[in-house]
Amino acid sequence: KAGVTQTPRYLIKTRGQQVTLSCSPISGHRSVSWYQQTPGQGLQFLFEYFSETQRNKGNFPGRFSGRQFSNSRSEMNVSTLELGDSALYLCASSPVVEVLSYEQYFGPGTRLTVT
Amino acid sequence: AQTVTQSQPEMSVQEAETVTLSCTYDTSENNYYLFWYKQPPSRQMILVIRQEAYKQQNATENRFSVNFQKAAKSFSLKISDSQLGDTAMYFCAFILTGNQFYFGTGTSLTVIP
Repeated sequence: KAGVTQTPRYLIKTRGQQVTLSCSPISGHRSVSWYQQTPGQGLQFLFEYFSETQRNKGNFPGRFSGRQFSNSRSEMNVSTLELGDSALYLCASSPVVEVLSYEQYFGPGTRLTVT
Repeated sequence: AQTVTQSQPEMSVQEAETVTLSCTYDTSENNYYLFWYKQPPSRQMILVIRQEAYKQQNATENRFSVNFQKAAKSFSLKISDSQLGDTAMYFCAFILTGNQFYFGTGTSLTVIP
């Protein structure tokens, strides 16, 4: 099976712009989670989508949003970019359905730089 | 609030030696899973080991083992016979029902030849 893929891998944007990141989960995985990784902060949970519905949301401002399509692919959008949004954005998919089978498979990430 | 603390930002170990990475967490929930993930330099994060909170027996995966102390909310990772390929950032994490992970800030491990 192909792994989790994320596009683009690298992105440079200017303050105030908006950006959309894409994530394709492993085939058959219905849960997709997004994380922001910065040095010293570790991974901060953004949100998780399951069957096109946002199931969990982290403590991020409303500028961060996401969605999931019927084929489980997910997009994350950040509007009005700030310098502090520069980070590695990781996507992870999971085959979880109901019970605790919560192994997550991570993509390579999108490195976003805001100038 | 759920938190994960990794108090060792950086560690190093000689090749073939044993090293232990510390992790403590805080949750009022009783059902959860604990994980150690490894992120090699410029490579994808991968699962190292998983522990179910309801199991008293410590998980083991080849050279990797954990010391899970539920009452103390401690979950340390022991790497035996360290290899150069073990050089990576290691993240401790736990998940509650609902698939929301909580990660620590990571420990950067360097294996010295």
